[in-house]
Amino acid sequence: AQRVTQPEKLLSVFKGAPVELKCNYSYSGSPELFWYVQYSRQRLQLLLRHISRESIKGFTADLNKGETSFHLKKPFAQEEDSAMYYCALSGGSQGNLIFGKGTKLSVKP
Amino acid sequence: DTGVSQDPRHKITKRGQNVTFRCDPISEHNRLYWYRQTLGQGPEFLTYFQNEAQLEKSRLLSDRFSAERPKGSFSTLEIQRTEQGDSAMYLCASSPRLAGRINTQYFGPGTRLTVL
Repeated sequence: AQRVTQPEKLLSVFKGAPVELKCNYSYSGSPELFWYVQYSRQRLQLLLRHISRESIKGFTADLNKGETSFHLKKPFAQEEDSAMYYCALSGGSQGNLIFGKGTKLSVKP
Repeated sequence: DTGVSQDPRHKITKRGQNVTFRCDPISEHNRLYWYRQTLGQGPEFLTYFQNEAQLEKSRLLSDRFSAERPKGSFSTLEIQRTEQGDSAMYLCASSPRLAGRINTQYFGPGTRLTVL
């Protein structure tokens, strides 16, 4: 079964500390993995996708097929990073996304 | 505003009533998706359109739910005989279709449904 697991509901760090939001997936083929972010009172928006291999707002994520993981990392958290983060995979030709339950990141001053 | 729009933003209804939501995708996007999000969960896929054709439906989409996309532009999601369990945020997303690639989905602000 296709599944995305985000084990942490809430992650709280201090400003300047490193951040790692965990994401594990279950999929039999070669999925596309995404991180979406939702800031307070804003709509869900794409943060990054594994196929692009880019860094957005200082965040990176590496697809590890052996561990079926796609953890999101940032070396130095900022207060404006506080938001809800969702990991998602797309495995079908139709492109529909399967989301994890999300991790709320709180960056304290 | 060229983003995905949804109307209404909030809907409160009584159990047993019918409700209809509208989604206007980004104009050049031919793929349109509906998701449902309940408290503490990530969005869950409901259905997908490519142009006017509804190509996929989730098991979550019971026979009380129907979606249309006439002329391949805006889409409507109707829920008949609403139940309290239908209370959720209903999200719409659109994406362009480029051959051989899975593309970024752009989400609307959502319609929050409360069934009393």
